[in-house]
Amino acid sequence: AQSVTQPDIHITVSEGASLELRCNYSYGATPYLFWYVQSPGQGLQLLLKYFSGDTLVQGIKGFEAEFKRSQSSFNLRKPSVHWSDAAEYFCAVVASYDKVIFGPGTSLSVIP
Amino acid sequence: GAVVSQHPSWVICKSGTSVKIECRSLDFQATTMFWYRQFPKQSLMLMATSNEGSKATYEQGVEKDKFLINHASLTLSTLTVTSAHPEDSSFYICSARLAGEQYFGPGTRLTVT
Repeated sequence: AQSVTQPDIHITVSEGASLELRCNYSYGATPYLFWYVQSPGQGLQLLLKYFSGDTLVQGIKGFEAEFKRSQSSFNLRKPSVHWSDAAEYFCAVVASYDKVIFGPGTSLSVIP
Repeated sequence: GAVVSQHPSWVICKSGTSVKIECRSLDFQATTMFWYRQFPKQSLMLMATSNEGSKATYEQGVEKDKFLINHASLTLSTLTVTSAHPEDSSFYICSARLAGEQYFGPGTRLTVT
């Protein structure tokens, strides 16, 4: 069955520090992968997506992610975190019948 | 383009009553929409797939008689929570598919008192 894991439930980083959020997926075919961000009480905002091609994907707000098939991973990175990046981050995979399967989420706190 | 709206954005209802949530694709047609539920500090869980002109497909463990889904047109899907109870209080999010990509609505916060 398709699934997404995000090993880190909560991460705290200092403003200006680099960030990496981990995501691992389980899917038999070539996956469509996404990263979304959600602020408290808000909907989802798409940060970036991977369908095919270049395995390093650039997104909005300075985020990037790298697809590594051999590791079944799609980790999200940002070189310098801003206080406004504090939010919940969800990795997701499009499974069969176009269903989106979300990971459990990683809560990011940023120390000023 | 590719905007999905939900109405209402929040609703409070009394236990035992029913509440309807609308999901609209504003600038495109969607034969398939999806409904998710998100409890506080948890991830989004797919509840059902809404297909225009046919019955919805529910995920395992979701009561189809309690969560009625109607996809009567190519731009509108509705989720009706029947006989709502406090445990149904949650954040409900819909999405619509366009050209292989999902577009999410802003969500509806349901509180059952």
